[in-house]
Amino acid sequence: GENVEQHPSTLSVQEGDSAVIKCTYSDSASNYFPWYKQELGKRPQLIIDIRSNVGEKKDQRIAVTLNKTAKHFSLHITETQPEDSAVYFCAPFTIGNAGNMLTFGGGTRLMVKP
Amino acid sequence: DTAVSQTPKYLVTQMGNDKSIKCEQNLGHDTMYWYKQDSKKFLKIMFSYNNKELIINETVPNRFSPKSPDKAHLNLHINSLELGDSAVYFCASSRQSSSYTFGSGTRLTVV
Repeated sequence: GENVEQHPSTLSVQEGDSAVIKCTYSDSASNYFPWYKQELGKRPQLIIDIRSNVGEKKDQRIAVTLNKTAKHFSLHITETQPEDSAVYFCAPFTIGNAGNMLTFGGGTRLMVKP
Repeated sequence: DTAVSQTPKYLVTQMGNDKSIKCEQNLGHDTMYWYKQDSKKFLKIMFSYNNKELIINETVPNRFSPKSPDKAHLNLHINSLELGDSAVYFCASSRQSSSYTFGSGTRLTVV
């Protein structure tokens, strides 16, 4: 099955700085790469995603970059704000014999200090 | 309209009891899932159903059983609850090869 690792597990930045979270995966068949944000006590929500035929995607202050050869993708947040504080999960999607599913990384707790 | 709704939101029960959590989606998605999130925030898949057929069944105890009466519902039944079952359980749905929409979660506490 898919092995997914996220780094770092915690990240503390000053408001206005940039934050980068990296996700590595093992299954070369993975073809869809979303990032989820989970605020305290809330459900995980999709913030950005990318498919395997694209190398980078941007949506205002957030971007995702994909390196399929190296099997990793990263979340970039610029001009961080206190409301960006949350746990972020990468979740590569795999189509395989065991079924089609998202496999979640262990999460990165981002803290943005005002 | 809530896209994926779970009930109850909170569930406190004693060890040994049997309980159910319900999930319904109105998005027309073809696959539904149950995930368990432990105190360290790890999200682990438990089950998924595609067109009423179980296609993933990770190594969860057989005290847990999913039941899908139709494409829009996937309920989770838990027998003989144990302390270690305490967690937040999330239902989710998706179309093939696309992102999930999660329910709001059910916080289960076994005492």
